[in-house]
Amino acid sequence: QKEVEQNSGPLSVPEGAIASLNCTYSDRVSQSFFWYRQYSGKSPELIMSIYSNGDKEDGRFTAQLNKASQYVSLLIRDSQPSDSATYLCAVSRVGFQKLVFGTGTRLLVSP
Amino acid sequence: GAGVSQSPSNKVTEKGKDVELRCDPISGHTALYWYRQSLGQGLEFLIYFQGNSAPDKSGLPSDRFSAERTGGSVSTLTIQRTQQEDSAVYLCASSFFGGEAFFGQGTRLTVV
Repeated sequence: QKEVEQNSGPLSVPEGAIASLNCTYSDRVSQSFFWYRQYSGKSPELIMSIYSNGDKEDGRFTAQLNKASQYVSLLIRDSQPSDSATYLCAVSRVGFQKLVFGTGTRLLVSP
Repeated sequence: GAGVSQSPSNKVTEKGKDVELRCDPISGHTALYWYRQSLGQGLEFLIYFQGNSAPDKSGLPSDRFSAERTGGSVSTLTIQRTQQEDSAVYLCASSFFGGEAFFGQGTRLTVV
């Protein structure tokens, strides 16, 4: 079992729709969770961090964390073609050990 | 500096030559990561430095790869006797302990 799992996609959504990206992790004591966006040919860019159960909203982005289910998700409201990218989930274990990345989900937003 | 700085941005080398890639992390960050990303692939973890602790070298693909971090700051990734399969983008990231990590722009290595 991979430490951090994501569906590779592509996830295709029409412009204006909600894109839902999911991530599961195996280590129950993980405590810090991050979402990165990576455009083709560019470096990953941090877009959201979440540490507590529940939702965290930032503009069109909402991160959701459920530690009991070992599940973290990213919702993108009013998706735009410029949101088309690969989204990477990253998890840090207790004691601030190293970040572990999933393989990413490719999102395609069609006009 | 304001962000993570990597040099060079691009490197073309002949097969069999040694190369050094440099990463200058964000000032004050305790952790430094090296990743490799081949075209169309995900991040491949190489090595992790955290403060004065022994580095986690579990991702280094062979003994041709080594890395050091001097004075808890700048890091150098060295690839000896480069092979064509080493061609990739090498990414460095830094963070404060295991918190939010920020990436440099990467070094694109091409082995010909």
